[in-house]
Amino acid sequence: GAGVSQSPSNKVTEKGKDVELRCDPISGHTALYWYRQSLGQGLEFLIYFQGNSAPDKSGLPSDRFSAERTGGSVSTLTIQRTQQEDSAVYLCASSLKGQGDGYTFGSGTRLTVV
Amino acid sequence: AQSVSQHNHHVILSEAASLELGCNYSYGGTVNLFWYVQYPGQHLQLLLKYFSGDPLVKGIKGFEAEFIKSKFSFNLRKPSVQWSDTAEYFCAVNAEGPYGGATNKLIFGTGTLLAVQP
Repeated sequence: GAGVSQSPSNKVTEKGKDVELRCDPISGHTALYWYRQSLGQGLEFLIYFQGNSAPDKSGLPSDRFSAERTGGSVSTLTIQRTQQEDSAVYLCASSLKGQGDGYTFGSGTRLTVV
Repeated sequence: AQSVSQHNHHVILSEAASLELGCNYSYGGTVNLFWYVQYPGQHLQLLLKYFSGDPLVKGIKGFEAEFIKSKFSFNLRKPSVQWSDTAEYFCAVNAEGPYGGATNKLIFGTGTLLAVQP
């Protein structure tokens, strides 16, 4: 597609349930990133994929968070046993390989845990 | 740990006023620097970037930023703001890799919310 696509755009879930967030990057972009945006907190790095591997997953807050990428394309971020503090906007971005390329961001998934 | 600081959290200006948003980073090596903008209801967009060369970088919509290596700064400027510049602005820098040098991972500041009054 022309841009980075994320789904769903909004998700309301009950505390303790699992959720899956999907990101479809720009075709040909080998690098894919997940960030979390909370009010007043800026953008918090979660994980970075180069192809299907994740050389940096240092930002995942706990073992309840996991992510995978298949076929060098679509990525899924999974949050197990959601907690209220997981409520945030989850942003996905992609970029061409190489240092310093700017990211193209998706519109994000707004997750609300009630 | 590597960090990016944006000192102005909320700025309110009248149209035609000049703008300068501060950004400082902690990494001392070679850096790539970025400013992103998020207009109300829209996704983050790249405003401008610095890789090397002329430290004064021109971006879209009349924005510019100056890289001052000695001050570890990359401040964003615009001589005359418009109501349509109302948005949140984020400064970012490539993170340092484990063996030195910049990586693809960006570290963002906490953002500056700019409100321009007509």
